[in-house]
Amino acid sequence: DAKTTQPNSMESNEEEPVHLPCNHSTISGTDYIHWYRQLPSQGPEYVIHGLTSNVNNRMASLAIAEDRKSSTLILHRATLRDAAVYYCILRNAGNMLTFGGGTRLMVKP
Amino acid sequence: KAGVTQTPRYLIKTRGQQVTLSCSPISGHRSVSWYQQTPGQGLQFLFEYFSETQRNKGNFPGRFSGRQFSNSRSEMNVSTLELGDSALYLCASSLGFGTGYNEQFFGPGTRLTVL
Repeated sequence: DAKTTQPNSMESNEEEPVHLPCNHSTISGTDYIHWYRQLPSQGPEYVIHGLTSNVNNRMASLAIAEDRKSSTLILHRATLRDAAVYYCILRNAGNMLTFGGGTRLMVKP
Repeated sequence: KAGVTQTPRYLIKTRGQQVTLSCSPISGHRSVSWYQQTPGQGLQFLFEYFSETQRNKGNFPGRFSGRQFSNSRSEMNVSTLELGDSALYLCASSLGFGTGYNEQFFGPGTRLTVL
């Protein structure tokens, strides 16, 4: 399975943008890039996904490199509620998600 | 619309026993996946069911099994429990099976403790 690499942790100030990076150098042409986050004491929550083009939704934006070997999840204005572990996942078939270690995002007031 | 529900929320068992966990997907969702989360191994995929058939299976021993009923509800069973099976077991549902069904909705999990 193609793997993803993310920093263990990141810190942000409230109300500022946050850029969460993910490397996936072994991505295949049919792999979708998914992001989920897990708030404390909750199950994971879908954030966004994309294949080749940049994507925006109400929660975040996903910027995908032209060669697709990396991507960046962008939270435009971090709030304290955004403090969570963010997982970058490659998915190619079915609904199986292979979670890595994720990035623990800490948001300072 | 009600979310994914899992029962029970907490469970304590002893080594050697077996356990059955239940998951009710969001109404209309036909795919159910199961995950195990531990501090050491993180989130690991167990298996996925769609239309009462197992579609994908993770790298877990045969003691872990599951099934899906015609109403899409799913159960997972762990036999001959070991201490290492202590974990949070998460269920996720999706509308269908395949890359066109992108968003999975997770339940709150069942916390299993094996003594």
